[in-house]
Amino acid sequence: QVQLVQSGAEVKKPGASVKVSCKASGYIFSGYYIHWVRQAPGQGLEWMGRLFPNSGDTNYAQKFQGRVTMTSDTSINTAYMEVTGLRSDDTALYFCARDSLLWSDALDIWGQGTMVTVSS
Amino acid sequence: DIQMTQSPSSLSASVGDSVTITCRASQSITNYLNWYQVKPGKAPKLLIYAASSLQSGVPSRFSGSGSGTDFTLTITNMQPEDFATYYCQQSQSTPRLTFGPGTKVDIK
Repeated sequence: QVQLVQSGAEVKKPGASVKVSCKASGYIFSGYYIHWVRQAPGQGLEWMGRLFPNSGDTNYAQKFQGRVTMTSDTSINTAYMEVTGLRSDDTALYFCARDSLLWSDALDIWGQGTMVTVSS
Repeated sequence: DIQMTQSPSSLSASVGDSVTITCRASQSITNYLNWYQVKPGKAPKLLIYAASSLQSGVPSRFSGSGSGTDFTLTITNMQPEDFATYYCQQSQSTPRLTFGPGTKVDIK
């Protein structure tokens, strides 16, 4: 079946970096945008950016420009999202999600989420 | 940037009730509006895309309407599994997407 499986929870110190992976299966990985969305504890959903695996093209929310990098390895159907210079307010549940084929920028398949905790 | 607002921010309902949630955009987004259901610690679930199209596998008690700046999500005959937080999301300003602040629906 179509699914996205993310890497496990991470605990990082302020200033460190974290790289979260998102492995796709059950569909043609290179043909769909992968988006990254996060949810801080008790907060709403926040769109971070998107990646088109076939070309490597990326678009980032202005807030994350320069601090977030999205990449992919199409040989293993995996997308990655790296955040550098972690701060305590980066503590959140991070999700990858696939763009729907039926309606662009509707996110129809989601990973299970990766909890990233930033604490000294 | 297009700003999204939702009302109410929370509401209480009983099983069997009908519930309506409103989402408003700061400028016209035609029908580039999607709705998601989120439960604590779980991945969001796409319910409605293009303002009124029901995502495959989503029960028909969920419906969406609206265009331009004003949209609604209606849940008829609320079921126990429907108690969750609901978010609207605009994609008019693609590639930069924006979510609304969410509406929490809990049990009365």
